Amino acid sequence: AQSVTQPDIHITVSEGASLELRCNYSYGATPYLFWYVQSPGQGLQLLLKYFSGDTLVQGIKGFEAEFKRSQSSFNLRKPSVHWSDAAEYFCAVGANTGNQFYFGTGTSLTVIP
Amino acid sequence: DAGVTQSPTHLIKTRGQQVTLRCSPKSGHDTVSWYQQALGQGPQFIFQYYEEEERQRGNFPDRFSGHQFPNYSSELNVNALLLGDSALYLCASSLEDRGWANYGYTFGSGTRLTVV
Repeated sequence: AQSVTQPDIHITVSEGASLELRCNYSYGATPYLFWYVQSPGQGLQLLLKYFSGDTLVQGIKGFEAEFKRSQSSFNLRKPSVHWSDAAEYFCAVGANTGNQFYFGTGTSLTVIP
Repeated sequence: DAGVTQSPTHLIKTRGQQVTLRCSPKSGHDTVSWYQQALGQGPQFIFQYYEEEERQRGNFPDRFSGHQFPNYSSELNVNALLLGDSALYLCASSLEDRGWANYGYTFGSGTRLTVV
């Protein structure tokens, strides 16, 4: 069965510091992987996605993620966090039927000045 | 170009009542998916509609039903509301023939349902 685990429920970082959010997935074949961000009271905004090819993918807002098949991971990174990055971050895997996402439980990011 | 529009934004219902949530897909999209996001959780897939039919369904009881209209808009109906149905309900639209490799999902901002 497909599933996504985000081990960190909440992370606090200082503005300007680097960030890494962890994501582990369970999937039998090459996964379709996504990172979404959700600001309070808002829907989901796609940050980046991985389907195949280069395992380091670039997204919007300066985010990047690296796919590591050996570790079943797809961690999200940002070299310098801005206060506006405070939000909930969700990792997701696309079902092999192409019809649904499986989301993790999310990581809440707090940015302190 | 309008994105996905959901209505209402918020609503409060009493246990046992019925509720209808509405979703207008992004222009050019023909497929609508519904997700339930309970507080502190990730979104969970309810079902997907394409060509006015339910194509796939997640692990939700029959109290959850839906409909898609010829203009591709969709409704989510929940009968006999329970306190546990309180959640943010998200609608996502896409173009059916794209598949993951040509990703094109757009999410709405959701409807916040509170059951009291």
